[in-house]
Order: sequence, then structure tokens, then C-alpha cells
Amino acid sequence: EDQVTQSPEALRLQEGESSSLNCSYTVSGLRGLFWYRQDPGKGPEFLFTLYSAGEEKEKERLKATLTKKESFLHITAPKPEDSATYLCAVQARPYNFGNEKLTFGTGTRLTIIP
Amino acid sequence: GAGVSQSPSNKVTEKGKDVELRCDPISGHTALYWYRQSLGQGLEFLIYFQGNSAPDKSGLPSDRFSAERTGGSVSTLTIQRTQQEDSAVYLCASSFTRGYTFGSGTRLTVV
Repeated sequence: EDQVTQSPEALRLQEGESSSLNCSYTVSGLRGLFWYRQDPGKGPEFLFTLYSAGEEKEKERLKATLTKKESFLHITAPKPEDSATYLCAVQARPYNFGNEKLTFGTGTRLTIIP
Repeated sequence: GAGVSQSPSNKVTEKGKDVELRCDPISGHTALYWYRQSLGQGLEFLIYFQGNSAPDKSGLPSDRFSAERTGGSVSTLTIQRTQQEDSAVYLCASSFTRGYTFGSGTRLTVV
């Protein structure tokens, strides 16, 4: 069974204080690892997809990295508007009849204090 | 519209009543997913539709849950005889190739 564990559950940072969020996973065969951002009362918003160990992707103050067992979401010099819950999810290979379902972790609730 | 639309945004129902939740996917997106997000838990896959193919219902938690998709577009998730444990946010997502776009969800509260 595919599993995703995210840590920490919650993280409070001062504005400008860089840190990393962790996503550990077990999957029968990784097709892709996804990061989403979720604001209160809204659906998850896509950030990144990583496909193979060693891959990195960046967007503004965020950088996602991938190893064979975990992924990190690094946040550099965060701003208050980066406050949100960050979700990690894996997609297994092979997939059933084209069903690209994702297995999600419970998320890290990030708060950036001005 | 440009995004995935879900209605209603909030629904309060009495235990034992039936509810219907609606999802309008992005035009042209052939794949549609329903997920459930309960407090303190990750998103849980419920059901997958792809075009006119038979849906993958493997995530539905009980036979009180059903879903249909009409004309390859709009989908309705129906929960019969609602129970308190059904209280959650129900999220719909649509996809064309890779990557999902989620709606804002329906918050269901069973009292």
C-alpha cells in the first residue's frame, strides 16, 4: 500500500527565516511526486511534479527536491503570503486503467509571522 | 468557466438524509476525480471517471456512496442515509493529461 508521511505537522517561521518541509513516501513504483498548496476554504493548488531521484524544481521562493525515499520542499526567505498548508502526494506505476489517483499526506501547516 | 466548479460550497444535513454534491469540470478535461478530506487526514480517493469508460469505484467507502457523470462532463456524488462520519470536505478534480485542477470543495456537515 502506498504511504506518504509529512513532517512537521505545523511550522511557524519568522518572515525571511528559511526552512524545509519533509515528505517521506513508500510506493510500489513511483510515477510522480506532487506538491500542492492549500489555503483555508480552497482546493489544493498545484505547485510541482517530480519524476525521478535527483530532480529539482523551483518556483519563486520554493524549491522541491526528490530522493528515492523522500522529497523536500525548501522555502527561502518566506513572506506572510506563503502561509498555507503544503500537501505532498505520490502517484504509483503501473496505474489501473489510466486512473492517475494520488495518495496524499496529511500536510504541513506553514505560518509565516511578519 | 476557467476552473472546476463545485456546488453547494456548504451543506448541513440531518443524519439519515440523502445529499447530492455537484462538480462541473474544466471544459475538455476527460478525467474527473472525487476525493474526501476529513479533519486531520489526508485527501482520500473516492472515484475516477475517464471519458465514457466505466468508472473506477475502488475508493468508495460504502454502498451508500455513488457517483455518476453525465455526457462526459458534470458529475454528481450522492451519499444516501448520511452518517456523522460522512462529515468532511468533498473535493472534485479534473485533468486532461497530467496534473489535476481541484475545485474549492463542498463542506458537508451531518448533524
